[in-house]
Amino acid sequence: ELKVEQNPLFLSMQEGKNYTIYCNYSTTSDRLYWYRQDPGKSLESLFVLLSNGAVKQEGRLMASLDTKARLSTLHITAAVHDLSATYFCAVVMTTDSWGKLQFGAGTQVVVTP
Amino acid sequence: NAGVTQTPKFQVLKTGQSMTLQCAQDMNHEYMSWYRQDPGMGLRLIHYSVGAGITDQGEVPNGYNVSRSTTEDFPLRLLSAAPSQTSVYFCASSYGRAPGETQYFGPGTRLLVL
Repeated sequence: ELKVEQNPLFLSMQEGKNYTIYCNYSTTSDRLYWYRQDPGKSLESLFVLLSNGAVKQEGRLMASLDTKARLSTLHITAAVHDLSATYFCAVVMTTDSWGKLQFGAGTQVVVTP
Repeated sequence: NAGVTQTPKFQVLKTGQSMTLQCAQDMNHEYMSWYRQDPGMGLRLIHYSVGAGITDQGEVPNGYNVSRSTTEDFPLRLLSAAPSQTSVYFCASSYGRAPGETQYFGPGTRLLVL
């Protein structure tokens, strides 16, 4: 059974500082996704990571994947208020060709001045 | 393209009532799925479909039925609603098997079962 753990579950950020969200998973996977959800809204795809060492960046967000450690990180650089949201990682098992997503519990991010 | 659409946006049911949550996509996606979101638990897969006429169970299928008669539509039926089914339901779709395929999520349906 694939288990996905995110930490922290809640993150209070100060504007201008850097932070990291961690996503650990329990079995082999070659696909990992990061999503963002604003309150009361749907999920928005941020990144898809497909291989060991993959790194993707968009604005102040950078995601990386270490398949050997079964770990992905989402790094936030110089946090701003607009990044306040809940961030989810989701993993697909290597044996699953259709891509059923197993989600972490989410990390609620609040950015304050 | 409208993307993934869901109706209704919000629904209140009494225990024992049945209803159907609608999901449609206009992107010719093969893969469609239903998730429920509960506080502190992320999203959990209920049922999924890999094409018209083909469905399978996810992690939490009990109390829900699905069918896929067309590529575009993937309704979720609650046979006899229970308070434990109070949740936010999301439908998602993607092209298919290729690694890196992003799943696109609908706006969600908030369901309250009294």
